[in-house]
Order: sequence, then C-alpha cells, then structure tokens
Amino acid sequence: GAGVSQSPSNKVTEKGKDVELRCDPISGHTALYWYRQSLGQGLEFLIYFQGNSAPDKSGLPSDRFSAERTGGSVSTLTIQRTQQEDSAVYLCASSLAPFGRGSYNEQFFGPGTRLTVL
Amino acid sequence: SQQGEEDPQALSIQEGENATMNCSYKTSINNLQWYRQNSGRGLVHLILIRSNEREKHSGRLRVTLDTSKKSSSLLITASRAADTASYFCATDDPGNTPLVFGKGTRLSVIA
Repeated sequence: GAGVSQSPSNKVTEKGKDVELRCDPISGHTALYWYRQSLGQGLEFLIYFQGNSAPDKSGLPSDRFSAERTGGSVSTLTIQRTQQEDSAVYLCASSLAPFGRGSYNEQFFGPGTRLTVL
Repeated sequence: SQQGEEDPQALSIQEGENATMNCSYKTSINNLQWYRQNSGRGLVHLILIRSNEREKHSGRLRVTLDTSKKSSSLLITASRAADTASYFCATDDPGNTPLVFGKGTRLSVIA
C-alpha cells in the first residue's frame, strides 16, 4: 500500500507568516510522529499522537508550534509567526504499534517538507 | 536531549570495503534501531535489535549490541556506491518516550 505522504514537499514563506504542513500516515497505523531536522543535524522530536490519547507535545520548541490529528489519521503541523530559525526539514512518521516494552515500533517516514523562512 | 550518538560523524571508503559505524547511548533501552537517510529526506528503517539480543544480520548488514557498554555497531559489508547516505541510530527506552535519534554518520562510498 501507499507509504507516508507529506505536503507540500517544499515551502518558502516570509518571516511572520503562518504555515501548515500536512502528513498522511499509512492506513491503520495508530501512532504518528513529527520531527524536525536542521541542516546536518539529527532528528528533533516535536510531537507524538497515539490513537485517541492526548498527544505528547513535550518536544514542541515554542507555543508557536501546534499540531492536530483528525479522525486518527491525517495530521497537520502549524507554525505561527514563522521565524528564520524554523527553517528545516519537517518529517512525519507513523508506526503500526505504540512504543513501549515488547512493542515493535518501526517507524515509516514520509519524504519530509523542506521549510524555508526568508 | 540526544540519546544516541553516532561515531564517526563522517566516513569515506572505497566501493567493496566494509563500513563500520558506532552508536553510544545513555540510558537503558527496549531496543535500538538503525535508519538510513538519503539526500536529507525521509528515513528508511534498516534493522532493529532488541535489548536481549547481541547480534543481528540482514543481508549485508550486521548489527551488534553491547548493553553493558551501552553501544551498538552497524557493519555494512562489501559497500556499494548506493550505500552513500546518512545512518542514524535510534533508541527506545522503557520510559515510553518516542525514539531518540542521534546526529548520524555520513557515509560516502566512492566508486
């Protein structure tokens, strides 16, 4: 079946504008993750959704960042009043099972959205 | 905070040689995974090794885990130009927090 898809693939915006990034996870995957990757760096965890539970927002860098997941499927990451330091590749991943002892939580990644804030 | 730390940061080898990358982590884990990333975009899962396993093979990949040293290694044998990518380790700790990724090793395989 189809993998994780993200849109747009590239987004250029002006400082101060709001942006929305979309993620379509693999059908049936209960867990969805957002990460941010700055140039040459590792992945920075942002937020995690698992089923109908309250999301784990512990990685969001500021209150300008928010995310929602509608109907347990599609997720939108919103960045308000974008800053130049928000420029990065935003990666979404989904997994069949939640993480935890004994769970196999291989994550399937989308191609990412490259955000450039001018 | 960074859990997995890969070493070296960059590695350049000739096609046909073996490539070894190492990962160190700080806390106890449920499992450790290795991912590959091409051209700064999506990551692809390579292999998972559980905390009670010591070695695992998948094709040309060999992963070892030493929980006493909190370290893992990824060996790619008979490397190919197509193996050129960044390789990340990710750990899943018992605290039910999401996978924590290191900064990766950039592997260049020269034909």
